[in-house]
Amino acid sequence: DAGVIQSPRHEVTEMGQEVTLRCKPISGHDYLFWYRQTMMRGLELLIYFNNNVPIDDSGMPEDRFSAKMPNASFSTLKIQPSEPRDSAVYFCASSQITRKETQYFGPGTRLLVL
Amino acid sequence: GENVEQHPSTLSVQEGDSAVIKCTYSDSASNYFPWYKQELGKRPQLIIDIRSNVGEKKDQRIAVTLNKTAKHFSLHITETQPEDSAVYFCAASIHNYQLIWGAGTKLIIKP
Repeated sequence: DAGVIQSPRHEVTEMGQEVTLRCKPISGHDYLFWYRQTMMRGLELLIYFNNNVPIDDSGMPEDRFSAKMPNASFSTLKIQPSEPRDSAVYFCASSQITRKETQYFGPGTRLLVL
Repeated sequence: GENVEQHPSTLSVQEGDSAVIKCTYSDSASNYFPWYKQELGKRPQLIIDIRSNVGEKKDQRIAVTLNKTAKHFSLHITETQPEDSAVYFCAASIHNYQLIWGAGTKLIIKP
């Protein structure tokens, strides 16, 4: 299995631009998590899905952030408009119902907003 | 809600010595405690986990202990090697499959 796939791996954009991050979970996994990691705030859970349905989005910082999961093999995290304080590494992780707490992380997207 | 505290934030040990990282949790209903290792520039990866019905678990040079009464759990690494240098995260989970994460410990192995 290829593991969790994320794209792009690196993104540099200017303040005000729209940013879309993509994730393909491990095939057969039922849960998908979006995290943000910074030096200051550590690893923060933004939102998670179960069977493509958003379960808890209380970690989404503000309305500029949105996430979708149109099918079991694809999810997006969108930031519009982006701000410099959004600069971070964004990880996607997935887990399966039989081992639901064990999360497998993707390689992350390093976002820099200028 | 659940809160996980992790100590120390940085730990420096001589190669070959042991390292211990400690975490405390607040919700007694927590029943799953994983440890993840994150090397520089890489993703967090699960290295060992323990459930609340077990007091200790070992896997070669790493072990995790759980004290449910005191609500704390620890990661033990013996005979440390340079490749153990990384940031280690503890986490706790209740029933909703969401992990509550500690702040991380940067482990430095001195040659």
